[in-house]
Amino acid sequence: DAGVTQSPTHLIKTRGQQVTLRCSPKSGHDTVSWYQQALGQGPQFIFQYYEEEERQRGNFPDRFSGHQFPNYSSELNVNALLLGDSALYLCASSLWGGEIHYEQYFGPGTRLTVT
Amino acid sequence: GDSVTQMEGPVTLSEEAFLTINCTYTATGYPSLFWYVQYPGEGLQLLLKATKADDKGSNKGFEATYRKETTSFHLEKGSVQVSDSAVYFCALIIQGAQKLVFGQGTRLTINP
Repeated sequence: DAGVTQSPTHLIKTRGQQVTLRCSPKSGHDTVSWYQQALGQGPQFIFQYYEEEERQRGNFPDRFSGHQFPNYSSELNVNALLLGDSALYLCASSLWGGEIHYEQYFGPGTRLTVT
Repeated sequence: GDSVTQMEGPVTLSEEAFLTINCTYTATGYPSLFWYVQYPGEGLQLLLKATKADDKGSNKGFEATYRKETTSFHLEKGSVQVSDSAVYFCALIIQGAQKLVFGQGTRLTINP
């Protein structure tokens, strides 16, 4: 049973460019959350998708957007990249629980470097 | 807002030493508490959790007790091994919410 997978593993982009990161959830999971982990910091919640809709959003600008597909996989898009967007981007999948929290399983992350 | 504060790292111990990593939290609601571990090159893994006051989470020799009166969830292990070297994150989630709120992480290195 494959766990959460993310692609690519590493990515280097230039300021002002746009980037798309991809995530495939663990088998049986229908909910995907994205987190940004800056170097030496804890992950910060970006947003969560369920039924192809953004359900909850953290304190990130509109440059960060996402999408969920019918097969539950997800993309994170970042426009107009800034140097400060350099980070490890983590995807986590879970079952949708509404008021109930189900364990989130994390992928290995995509390391984005903006130069 | 909701937040988690962990003891500053890095922490370096000898094998078989006793480990404590402090974690305190501030929450607007009634949180569930977690410890995650991140090994080099791997994703975050849930180590243990506690969902209500006085609950003790435990796994792989690690323990943490949910202390509502001190808003704390300190991680302990009686005898650490080299394989425990990793970054440890304390986290919370508020009932009814879906986002995990993490502390800044504590890097632990165990020397043989």
